[in-house]
Amino acid sequence: AQSVTQPDIHITVSEGASLELRCNYSYGATPYLFWYVQSPGQGLQLLLKYFSGDTLVQGIKGFEAEFKRSQSSFNLRKPSVHWSDAAEYFCAVNQGGKLIFGQGTELSVKP
Amino acid sequence: GAVVSQHPSWVICKSGTSVKIECRSLDFQATTMFWYRQFPKQSLMLMATSNEGSKATYEQGVEKDKFLINHASLTLSTLTVTSAHPEDSSFYICSARGGGSLHTDTQYFGPGTRLTVL
Repeated sequence: AQSVTQPDIHITVSEGASLELRCNYSYGATPYLFWYVQSPGQGLQLLLKYFSGDTLVQGIKGFEAEFKRSQSSFNLRKPSVHWSDAAEYFCAVNQGGKLIFGQGTELSVKP
Repeated sequence: GAVVSQHPSWVICKSGTSVKIECRSLDFQATTMFWYRQFPKQSLMLMATSNEGSKATYEQGVEKDKFLINHASLTLSTLTVTSAHPEDSSFYICSARGGGSLHTDTQYFGPGTRLTVL
């Protein structure tokens, strides 16, 4: 069975600093990978997705993620964090049409 | 595009009553809809998958008689929590996946419904 691991439960960064959220997956074939963001009390918003092709994927709100098959990783990055980016971030992999989620990483942004 | 709505956004009910939550895809046809449950500070737990016009497929450990799911049209799925008890209090989120090329393999999520059972 596939699994997704987000090693960092909580990360705090200063506003304007760069951000990298880690995601590792286990899957035999090329996975369909996603990053979602969830604000408190809200549903999930799709940030970006990777199906195939260019391993550097651009998403909304200035986010990007890089698929690295050799490391089984799909880390999310942003060059300059804004206070409004504070939220919960979920990495997910598609397994037979179902999403397998990581545990989530809570991002706090210091002024 | 790809907007999913849920209604109500929050509901408080008495123990023993039933509650219905609606999930609608507003601008695309959803061949498959999913229902998740999320506890505070935790990830999403898939409860069931429903395809339009057929019975829902429930995940292991989810009581199908307690959580009734209906997917009667390509834009609407409902989750009914029957005889709700305080332990059913949770945040319920639906998602929808279309069958067209733009939406293949991508789930779009609703805003969630907060259920509190007294």
